[in-house]
Amino acid sequence: EPEVTQTPSHQVTQMGQEVILRCVPISNHLYFYWYRQILGQKVEFLVSFYNNEISEKSEIFDDQFSVERPDGSNFTLKIRSTKLEDSAMYFCARQGEEYNEQFFGPGTRLTVL
Amino acid sequence: LAKTTQPISMDSYEGQEVNITCSHNNIATNDYITWYQQFPSQGPRFIIQGYKTKVTNEVASLFIPADRKSSTLSLPRVSLSDTAVYYCLVVGGASKIIFGSGTRLSIRP
Repeated sequence: EPEVTQTPSHQVTQMGQEVILRCVPISNHLYFYWYRQILGQKVEFLVSFYNNEISEKSEIFDDQFSVERPDGSNFTLKIRSTKLEDSAMYFCARQGEEYNEQFFGPGTRLTVL
Repeated sequence: LAKTTQPISMDSYEGQEVNITCSHNNIATNDYITWYQQFPSQGPRFIIQGYKTKVTNEVASLFIPADRKSSTLSLPRVSLSDTAVYYCLVVGGASKIIFGSGTRLSIRP
């Protein structure tokens, strides 16, 4: 199966700092998602991104979050001013074609101190 | 999005067949039943999807009765590496996934 890769695998940051999480490399795919999972909790939908535009976002995805595809391949999630409660695993996923399945990346573990 | 209900946890032993049942009473005509697996600190992984009757792949089988209000994921001859959380979802197309708590399956030697 074609895989989604994410960088970094781990990110430690100070509260109030900006972080950028990346899905790399992505090509010939138009439909992506970001999810997060706080330790011990459910996987939560953040945002879907289709053809270089946000198609849907959750209540979690507030003004501190943004997504973009700056160079046509990398797909990034930016958190402008991190909070302690942003500590979580962040998963990027791409839409599959055969079963409408989603292929998840390995995740980025974000720790905010 | 149709709500699903599945057991919170299940235990079994290596070599046994494990069946996880999910109910989805409000499934819509265009919805498919989809199962994902998640290991600790990893992203969910698609296992199998079906619309009705039975579907089988190299990992699992999915049984869906005629009324489609429930489904059963069957894992043949489980091993320790099948210990994971299993999510039952009802999917109507390319859209966000709303994950529940899933079923935490523990396999013992």
